[in-house]
Amino acid sequence: DSGVTQTPKHLITATGQRVTLRCSPRSGDLSVYWYQQSLDQGLQFLIQYYNGEERAKGNILERFSAQQFPDLHSELNLSSLELGDSALYFCASSTASGEQFFGPGTRLTVL
Amino acid sequence: QQPVQSPQAVILREGEDAVINCSSSKALYSVHWYRQKHGEAPVFLMILLKGGEQKGHEKISASFNEKKQQSSLYLTASQLSYSGTYFCGTEPSSSNTGKLIFGQGTTLQVKP
Repeated sequence: DSGVTQTPKHLITATGQRVTLRCSPRSGDLSVYWYQQSLDQGLQFLIQYYNGEERAKGNILERFSAQQFPDLHSELNLSSLELGDSALYFCASSTASGEQFFGPGTRLTVL
Repeated sequence: QQPVQSPQAVILREGEDAVINCSSSKALYSVHWYRQKHGEAPVFLMILLKGGEQKGHEKISASFNEKKQQSSLYLTASQLSYSGTYFCGTEPSSSNTGKLIFGQGTTLQVKP
Protein backbone atom coordinates (compact mmCIF):
# COMPACT_ATOMS: atom_id res chain seq x y z
CA ASP A 1 0.00 0.00 0.00
CA SER A 2 1.63 3.22 -1.22
CA GLY A 3 -0.60 5.52 0.84
CA VAL A 4 -2.10 7.10 -2.29
CA THR A 5 -5.82 6.43 -2.69
CA GLN A 6 -7.89 6.57 -5.85
CA THR A 7 -11.60 6.23 -6.45
CA PRO A 8 -13.40 4.64 -8.07
CA LYS A 9 -11.48 1.45 -8.79
CA HIS A 10 -13.50 0.67 -11.90
CA LEU A 11 -15.66 2.85 -14.10
CA ILE A 12 -17.75 1.76 -17.05
CA THR A 13 -19.45 4.43 -19.11
CA ALA A 14 -20.60 5.25 -22.62
CA THR A 15 -19.09 7.37 -25.36
CA GLY A 16 -19.85 11.06 -25.03
CA GLN A 17 -20.17 10.93 -21.25
CA ARG A 18 -18.15 12.76 -18.60
CA VAL A 19 -16.46 11.19 -15.56
CA THR A 20 -14.43 12.38 -12.59
CA LEU A 21 -11.56 10.43 -11.08
CA ARG A 22 -10.39 11.26 -7.60
CA CYS A 23 -7.00 10.97 -5.92
CA SER A 24 -5.77 11.60 -2.38
CA PRO A 25 -1.98 11.88 -2.05
CA ARG A 26 0.13 10.47 0.77
CA SER A 27 0.11 12.55 3.90
CA GLY A 28 2.64 15.36 3.55
CA ASP A 29 3.11 15.09 -0.21
CA LEU A 30 2.33 18.31 -2.06
CA SER A 31 2.76 17.09 -5.64
CA VAL A 32 0.19 15.05 -7.52
CA TYR A 33 0.77 13.54 -10.96
CA TRP A 34 -1.75 11.94 -13.32
CA TYR A 35 -0.77 9.19 -15.77
CA GLN A 36 -2.67 7.26 -18.40
CA GLN A 37 -1.67 3.67 -19.14
CA SER A 38 -3.04 1.89 -22.17
CA LEU A 39 -1.75 -1.26 -23.83
CA ASP A 40 -0.32 0.44 -26.87
CA GLN A 41 0.92 3.68 -25.27
CA GLY A 42 2.55 2.62 -22.03
CA LEU A 43 2.64 5.07 -19.11
CA GLN A 44 1.90 8.58 -20.37
CA PHE A 45 2.27 11.64 -18.17
CA LEU A 46 -0.82 13.84 -18.27
CA ILE A 47 -0.47 16.66 -15.75
CA GLN A 48 1.15 17.64 -12.45
CA TYR A 49 -0.06 19.84 -9.61
CA TYR A 50 2.00 21.20 -6.76
CA ASN A 51 0.23 22.63 -3.72
CA GLY A 52 -2.83 23.59 -5.73
CA GLU A 53 -1.05 25.03 -8.77
CA GLU A 54 -0.56 23.40 -12.15
CA ARG A 55 3.16 22.73 -12.55
CA ALA A 56 3.65 20.68 -15.70
CA LYS A 57 1.56 19.44 -18.57
CA GLY A 58 2.09 16.45 -20.76
CA ASN A 59 0.05 14.91 -23.53
CA ILE A 60 -3.27 15.82 -21.99
CA LEU A 61 -6.21 16.21 -24.35
CA GLU A 62 -8.30 19.39 -24.27
CA ARG A 63 -11.28 17.21 -23.28
CA PHE A 64 -9.43 16.37 -20.06
CA SER A 65 -8.90 18.74 -17.15
CA ALA A 66 -7.67 18.46 -13.60
CA GLN A 67 -7.39 20.43 -10.42
CA GLN A 68 -5.91 20.13 -6.96
CA PHE A 69 -7.93 21.34 -4.01
CA PRO A 70 -6.78 23.10 -0.80
CA ASP A 71 -6.81 19.77 1.07
CA LEU A 72 -4.41 18.52 -1.68
CA HIS A 73 -6.71 15.90 -3.15
CA SER A 74 -6.96 16.03 -6.92
CA GLU A 75 -9.60 15.30 -9.51
CA LEU A 76 -9.18 14.40 -13.16
CA ASN A 77 -12.20 15.21 -15.33
CA LEU A 78 -12.63 13.42 -18.62
CA SER A 79 -15.38 14.61 -20.94
CA SER A 80 -16.83 13.72 -24.35
CA LEU A 81 -15.39 10.26 -23.81
CA GLU A 82 -14.26 8.18 -26.75
CA LEU A 83 -13.52 4.47 -27.03
CA GLY A 84 -9.82 5.27 -27.14
CA ASP A 85 -9.95 6.83 -23.68
CA SER A 86 -10.36 3.38 -22.16
CA ALA A 87 -7.27 2.88 -20.03
CA LEU A 88 -5.88 2.67 -16.52
CA TYR A 89 -5.51 6.10 -14.95
CA PHE A 90 -2.94 6.39 -12.18
CA CYS A 91 -2.35 9.15 -9.74
CA ALA A 92 1.01 9.49 -7.98
CA SER A 93 2.30 11.75 -5.26
CA SER A 94 5.91 12.57 -4.59
CA THR A 95 8.16 13.30 -1.68
CA ALA A 96 10.39 16.36 -1.54
CA SER A 97 13.26 14.21 -2.86
CA GLY A 98 11.30 13.17 -5.94
CA GLU A 99 10.24 9.57 -5.39
CA GLN A 100 6.79 9.07 -6.85
CA PHE A 101 4.34 6.68 -5.25
CA PHE A 102 1.46 5.43 -7.33
CA GLY A 103 -2.11 4.85 -6.30
CA PRO A 104 -3.94 1.63 -7.24
CA GLY A 105 -5.43 3.22 -10.37
CA THR A 106 -8.87 3.62 -11.89
CA ARG A 107 -9.73 1.33 -14.76
CA LEU A 108 -11.94 3.23 -17.20
CA THR A 109 -13.91 1.35 -19.82
CA VAL A 110 -15.76 3.36 -22.45
CA LEU A 111 -18.39 1.40 -24.34
CA GLN B 1 11.92 11.71 -26.50
CA GLN B 2 10.71 8.55 -24.83
CA PRO B 3 13.67 6.66 -23.33
CA VAL B 4 14.44 3.34 -24.94
CA GLN B 5 14.61 0.24 -22.79
CA SER B 6 16.36 -2.97 -23.69
CA PRO B 7 15.75 -5.81 -23.80
CA GLN B 8 11.98 -5.74 -24.38
CA ALA B 9 11.55 -9.05 -22.60
CA VAL B 10 13.68 -11.52 -20.72
CA ILE B 11 13.05 -14.96 -19.24
CA LEU B 12 15.22 -16.19 -16.39
CA ARG B 13 15.49 -19.17 -14.10
CA GLU B 14 15.50 -18.50 -10.38
CA GLY B 15 18.96 -17.50 -9.24
CA GLU B 16 20.07 -16.05 -12.58
CA ASP B 17 21.04 -12.42 -13.11
CA ALA B 18 19.60 -9.81 -15.46
CA VAL B 19 20.43 -6.31 -16.65
CA ILE B 20 17.86 -3.87 -18.00
CA ASN B 21 19.06 -0.79 -19.82
CA CYS B 22 17.46 2.62 -20.28
CA SER B 23 18.79 5.12 -22.78
CA SER B 24 17.70 8.70 -23.41
CA SER B 25 18.49 11.18 -26.16
CA LYS B 26 18.12 14.07 -23.73
CA ALA B 27 20.35 15.26 -20.91
CA LEU B 28 18.92 13.89 -17.71
CA TYR B 29 18.55 15.14 -14.18
CA SER B 30 17.30 11.87 -12.75
CA VAL B 31 16.27 8.33 -13.58
CA HIS B 32 13.59 6.45 -11.67
CA TRP B 33 12.98 2.71 -11.76
CA TYR B 34 9.63 1.03 -11.14
CA ARG B 35 8.30 -2.52 -11.21
CA GLN B 36 4.71 -3.23 -12.16
CA LYS B 37 2.89 -6.53 -11.81
CA HIS B 38 -0.06 -7.26 -14.03
CA GLY B 39 -3.14 -5.27 -13.02
CA GLU B 40 -1.32 -3.46 -10.22
CA ALA B 41 0.23 -0.04 -9.75
CA PRO B 42 3.89 0.62 -10.51
CA VAL B 43 6.03 0.26 -7.39
CA PHE B 44 8.96 2.56 -6.79
CA LEU B 45 12.36 0.81 -6.71
CA MET B 46 14.92 3.59 -6.71
CA ILE B 47 15.86 7.03 -7.95
CA LEU B 48 19.25 8.04 -9.31
CA LEU B 49 20.22 11.66 -9.51
CA LYS B 50 22.68 13.45 -11.74
CA GLY B 51 26.13 12.71 -10.41
CA GLY B 52 26.74 9.24 -11.80
CA GLU B 53 25.80 7.45 -8.64
CA GLN B 54 25.01 3.84 -8.12
CA LYS B 55 22.34 2.72 -5.74
CA GLY B 56 21.01 -0.53 -4.52
CA HIS B 57 19.23 -2.48 -1.91
CA GLU B 58 19.34 -6.21 -1.37
CA LYS B 59 19.86 -7.80 -4.77
CA ILE B 60 18.62 -4.95 -6.96
CA SER B 61 20.95 -2.12 -7.85
CA ALA B 62 21.25 0.52 -10.55
CA SER B 63 23.74 2.86 -12.11
CA PHE B 64 23.38 6.17 -13.94
CA ASN B 65 25.88 7.44 -16.48
CA GLU B 66 24.84 11.04 -17.03
CA LYS B 67 27.38 11.60 -19.81
CA LYS B 68 25.82 8.85 -21.86
CA GLN B 69 22.28 9.52 -20.59
CA GLN B 70 21.99 5.87 -19.70
CA SER B 71 20.91 3.90 -16.70
CA SER B 72 21.06 0.19 -15.99
CA LEU B 73 19.12 -1.87 -13.48
CA TYR B 74 20.88 -4.96 -12.14
CA LEU B 75 18.91 -7.88 -10.72
CA THR B 76 21.08 -10.53 -9.12
CA ALA B 77 20.11 -14.02 -7.97
CA SER B 78 16.59 -13.41 -9.26
CA GLN B 79 13.56 -14.63 -7.30
CA LEU B 80 10.09 -15.52 -8.52
CA SER B 81 8.83 -12.29 -6.97
CA TYR B 82 10.98 -10.26 -9.38
CA SER B 83 8.65 -11.12 -12.25
CA GLY B 84 6.85 -8.13 -13.72
CA THR B 85 7.37 -5.23 -16.07
CA TYR B 86 10.18 -2.81 -15.28
CA PHE B 87 9.92 0.80 -16.32
CA CYS B 88 12.49 3.53 -16.26
CA GLY B 89 11.20 7.07 -15.89
CA THR B 90 13.48 9.89 -16.93
CA GLU B 91 13.44 13.51 -15.84
CA PRO B 92 15.16 15.80 -18.35
CA SER B 93 17.66 18.35 -17.06
CA SER B 94 15.53 21.07 -18.62
CA SER B 95 12.57 20.13 -16.45
CA ASN B 96 12.41 21.31 -12.88
CA THR B 97 9.08 19.76 -12.08
CA GLY B 98 9.59 16.07 -11.42
CA LYS B 99 7.68 15.23 -14.59
CA LEU B 100 8.76 11.76 -15.79
CA ILE B 101 8.86 10.31 -19.27
CA PHE B 102 8.61 6.54 -19.11
CA GLY B 103 10.20 3.93 -21.32
CA GLN B 104 8.10 1.27 -22.97
CA GLY B 105 8.91 -1.28 -20.29
CA THR B 106 10.86 -4.54 -20.04
CA THR B 107 8.94 -7.67 -19.17
CA LEU B 108 10.83 -9.99 -16.86
CA GLN B 109 9.65 -13.53 -16.19
CA VAL B 110 11.41 -15.64 -13.58
CA LYS B 111 10.73 -19.36 -13.76
CA PRO B 112 11.36 -21.95 -11.05
